[in-house]
Amino acid sequence: AQSVSQHNHHVILSEAASLELGCNYSYGGTVNLFWYVQYPGQHLQLLLKYFSGDPLVKGIKGFEAEFIKSKFSFNLRKPSVQWSDTAEYFCAVNTDSGYALNFGKGTSLLVTP
Amino acid sequence: NAGVTQTPKFQVLKTGQSMTLQCAQDMNHEYMSWYRQDPGMGLRLIHYSVGAGITDQGEVPNGYNVSRSTTEDFPLRLLSAAPSQTSVYFCASSYSITEKLFFGSGTQLSVL
Repeated sequence: AQSVSQHNHHVILSEAASLELGCNYSYGGTVNLFWYVQYPGQHLQLLLKYFSGDPLVKGIKGFEAEFIKSKFSFNLRKPSVQWSDTAEYFCAVNTDSGYALNFGKGTSLLVTP
Repeated sequence: NAGVTQTPKFQVLKTGQSMTLQCAQDMNHEYMSWYRQDPGMGLRLIHYSVGAGITDQGEVPNGYNVSRSTTEDFPLRLLSAAPSQTSVYFCASSYSITEKLFFGSGTQLSVL
């Protein structure tokens, strides 16, 4: 069974700092990759997704992620975070073996003024 | 469009009671799924469906049943509630597994 690992459970950054959140998956076949965000008190929203093509994908609100197949990784980045980016971030993976979309445990990001 | 509607928003059960969490979507989505969210555990997939009449188990299906008699509805049944099922439950839907999920607002369930 495939699994999704997010290594950073809690991250605290100052405004304008750069962000990189790690996501690794364990599956050797074709994958579809997603990053979702959950702002306080809200439900999950899609930030970006990767299916094929350019491994560097851009999403909403200045976020981007890079798919590195050799490292089984799909890290999320943002050059300069804002206080409004305080949220929980989830990586999710679907594989060509089925229709389940499995999420990582999430990374809680706190951006301080 | 209402999107994905979950009811109830809050529920308290006693151990052993049964109940059904309702989920309905009006976007004609084929794919629907149920997740539970627990602190430090992220979202864990309970059951999912790729169309009416078709359901499958996710990562944590024990203690839960689902059915998909129509495209619109995907209820989640707790057969005999246990304290370990205390959680926030989210229903989600999408056109397909490769498209973004639309989430409901969640049901906060406490089992005493």
